[in-house]
Amino acid sequence: AQSVTQPDIHITVSEGASLELRCNYSYGATPYLFWYVQSPGQGLQLLLKYFSGDTLVQGIKGFEAEFKRSQSSFNLRKPSVHWSDAAEYFCAVGPLFKAAGNKLTFGGGTRVLVKP
Amino acid sequence: KAGVTQTPRYLIKTRGQQVTLSCSPISGHRSVSWYQQTPGQGLQFLFEYFSETQRNKGNFPGRFSGRQFSNSRSEMNVSTLELGDSALYLCASSLGQPAYNEQFFGPGTRLTVL
Repeated sequence: AQSVTQPDIHITVSEGASLELRCNYSYGATPYLFWYVQSPGQGLQLLLKYFSGDTLVQGIKGFEAEFKRSQSSFNLRKPSVHWSDAAEYFCAVGPLFKAAGNKLTFGGGTRVLVKP
Repeated sequence: KAGVTQTPRYLIKTRGQQVTLSCSPISGHRSVSWYQQTPGQGLQFLFEYFSETQRNKGNFPGRFSGRQFSNSRSEMNVSTLELGDSALYLCASSLGQPAYNEQFFGPGTRLTVL
């Protein structure tokens, strides 16, 4: 069964500093990969996605992620965080096959706290 | 274009009761998926409906059920509520075809079971 691991439960970063969130997946092949962000009391917003092609993916809000097949990783980065980036971030994998529909498997999430 | 809407936003029930949650997808979207979010188990897939048919199902007991109407609106029902059913229930909609499409999430329904 596919699984997604986000090793860091909490990360505290100073405003203006860089941020990197780790994500590792366990799968038989390269799945669709996603990063979502959830602010308190809100639903999930898609930051970026990887389906194929260029392994460095640009997303919204200045985020980017790099897919590394050899490490089964899809880490999220931002060069300079803003206080508004404080939220919970989820890595997710999607299905390989069309028949599997739209099921997403999520990691446990990383809560990011931004210090002024 | 309006986003995914979920009603109600908050709900308080007691053990043994049943509850129905509603999700209205983005116009033109034919797929609706439901997820349960709890502090202990995280985000877990419940089921997906596409064109009024359940296309995929997660590992939840039969107390959790859903349906989709011809206008793509979806409802999920939880019968015989247990304390552990307290959670944020998220609905996501997508075009549904072809292959995988981006899912757009609603704000969720916060269910508290007392």
